[in-house]
Amino acid sequence: GDSVTQMEGPVTLSEEAFLTINCTYTATGYPSLFWYVQYPGEGLQLLLKATKADDKGSNKGFEATYRKETTSFHLEKGSVQVSDSAVYFCARLNNGNYKLTFGKGTLLTVNP
Amino acid sequence: GAVVSQHPSWVICKSGTSVKIECRSLDFQATTMFWYRQFPKQSLMLMATSNEGSKATYEQGVEKDKFLINHASLTLSTLTVTSAHPEDSSFYICSAAKSGTRSYEQYFGPGTRLTVT
Repeated sequence: GDSVTQMEGPVTLSEEAFLTINCTYTATGYPSLFWYVQYPGEGLQLLLKATKADDKGSNKGFEATYRKETTSFHLEKGSVQVSDSAVYFCARLNNGNYKLTFGKGTLLTVNP
Repeated sequence: GAVVSQHPSWVICKSGTSVKIECRSLDFQATTMFWYRQFPKQSLMLMATSNEGSKATYEQGVEKDKFLINHASLTLSTLTVTSAHPEDSSFYICSAAKSGTRSYEQYFGPGTRLTVT
């Protein structure tokens, strides 16, 4: 079935450090891929998305590229800020039944 | 645009009572809405898919008689937790997909924290 595997946290970085959160997905069909961010006590906010192979999603300094050959959608940011501290979820959308499948989430803590 | 609200944002109820949670798309129409459950420090688990004017489709292992879903209009879906028990305490999140577009992107509500005592 559909699944998403993302690196387990927690991840703790110092401000201005480079961030990578790995995500791989099952390749069944032609899924759209997403990264969502969840701040403490809040719902999910879409961070970025990519709908087809080689697409690069970007927002707020975060980037992720849809890699069909490696079935990956790794999240990167060149210089993290304290305000980036949150839980990040990778997700795939089944374009047949519109269901989202989420990874387990990665808690990121950025220290000043 | 694409704002989804949930009401209430948090609720405490006694065991055995029922609780209704509303999910509204404020500035768009949503033929399809989704209900998720999130346990502390865990991922979102899809509970059911709600389509306007028809019965909800529940995921395997979700009791449809316990979690009643109604999608009476293109902007409102409700989740009623019937005869709630402490194990139903959780963070419930809804999402909505815009009608009439090719994008199947889901827009999420802020969530409702349910505590059953």
